Amino acid sequence: QSALTQPASVSGSPGQSITISCTGTSSDIGGYNYVSWYQQHPGKAPKLIICEVSNRPSGVSKRFSGSKAGNTASLTISGLQAEDEAEYYCSSYIATSTLFGTGTKVTVL
Amino acid sequence: QITLKESGPTLVKPTQTLTLTCTFSGFSLSTSGLGVGWIRQPPGKALEWLALIYWDDDKRYSPSLKNRLSITKDTSRNQVVLTMTNMDPVDTATYYCAHWGESRGAFAIWGQGTLVTVSS
Repeated sequence: QSALTQPASVSGSPGQSITISCTGTSSDIGGYNYVSWYQQHPGKAPKLIICEVSNRPSGVSKRFSGSKAGNTASLTISGLQAEDEAEYYCSSYIATSTLFGTGTKVTVL
Repeated sequence: QITLKESGPTLVKPTQTLTLTCTFSGFSLSTSGLGVGWIRQPPGKALEWLALIYWDDDKRYSPSLKNRLSITKDTSRNQVVLTMTNMDPVDTATYYCAHWGESRGAFAIWGQGTLVTVSS
């Protein structure tokens, strides 16, 4: 089982929308709906922002949304804000294992 | 309020065994559908899942590290212990424990993490 593939970096200006992709296989992302996304600021622990593909835990901004098509999951951040600058990781829970993505650095220009 | 905190040595020598303890509050690991997992992150690198123990004592391990890992729980003390044998400098990382919920299939609450350095 290999790590899920994410772009190394994505950038956008304040107010814009950006999308981060997370590519797996039919054995993980494509086969299960337990796809989650985590936000990690430097020196901090990861924070769950999306679970079960598109559900936002209580307290998470509505600007974060998730989706899935085939073997690829996506995280969209709308109305980009300076505080969104962080590392983002996708994850897939497949009962026997958990996979994390390679991580994407989001830069707010 | 759910909290978790990792504890253990900050420095271990190569070939030694690492023992980390996750002490948590705000939930019971005897509650159906819950679990506690361990995830690590080498400096400047991505997250890597290590192990997960469920409320019913079922256990899952990373296939690549399975032979070196052991996870146990002490429900009465609200603790989960991870041991990793034959430590190597490449195992230098921040180790996190996290609360896992079956309903979400995700790690909803994380500890602050503990940096473990492997060096002679």
